[in-house]
Amino acid sequence: GAVVSQHPSWVICKSGTSVKIECRSLDFQATTMFWYRQFPKQSLMLMATSNEGSKATYEQGVEKDKFLINHASLTLSTLTVTSAHPEDSSFYICSASKLDRDQPQHFGDGTRLSIL
Amino acid sequence: QKEVEQNSGPLSVPEGAIASLNCTYSDRGSQSFFWYRQYSGKSPELIMSIYSNGDKEDGRFTAQLNKASQYVSLLIRDSQPSDSATYLCAVNRSGGYQKVTFGTGTKLQVIP
Repeated sequence: GAVVSQHPSWVICKSGTSVKIECRSLDFQATTMFWYRQFPKQSLMLMATSNEGSKATYEQGVEKDKFLINHASLTLSTLTVTSAHPEDSSFYICSASKLDRDQPQHFGDGTRLSIL
Repeated sequence: QKEVEQNSGPLSVPEGAIASLNCTYSDRGSQSFFWYRQYSGKSPELIMSIYSNGDKEDGRFTAQLNKASQYVSLLIRDSQPSDSATYLCAVNRSGGYQKVTFGTGTKLQVIP
C-alpha cells in the first residue's frame, strides 16, 4: 500500500494565528512531498514541492514566508500557515511519492482550514 | 496550450452505461500517466496508472494510452451513481523526477 496521513483534518482558528499541518507517509519513504491548495469548485493548485533535507520549491505567487514548509525526514513534511487570515481559508492537501521514478502521488485526506 | 487538458464537463451518463473520459497532454516525452477520482470535499484518490501504449484494465476501469496522439483516456463500464465525481488526469513530465502536472478535471454525473 501507499498510505499518506494528514493531520489535522480540519482547523478553525482566529485571524493572526499560525497553523501547522502534518503530512506523513506511513508505509513508504518519500523524498518528495507536495502541498496543494484547493478552493471550492476549483482545481488543485500546487503550492510547493518539499524535498527531504533541503529547502522547499515554491510555485510562482506562493509566499514563502507565509507558508513555511519543513521536510525533516523521509516520512514527514509540515506546512505552517503563518499569521493566517480569512483569505487563507481553503482545503490544503499533501501528497507523497515513493522513491522510484514514475511513481504516482498518493494524497492525504486533506485539511480544511477556516480562519475567522 | 495547457500542459494537460480535460473537458470540464459535466459529463452525464445513465447508470449502467460506459463513461468515457479524455485527456490530452502537450509534452511528447511524458512517461507516466495517472487517473485520480475526487469526490466533492475529499482529496484525490488514485484509480489507475499507465505507462505504455495500449489498454490497461482494472475491474470496471480501463485506461487507454496513445503516445503518438498524446492522448490518454479512462473508460468506466457499468457506471454507477457512486462513480459520480471529478476525474483528474495527471501526467509525469519528461526530464523531471516526479514532476506531475494535473488537469483541471472532468466532472462525471451518473444518472440513476
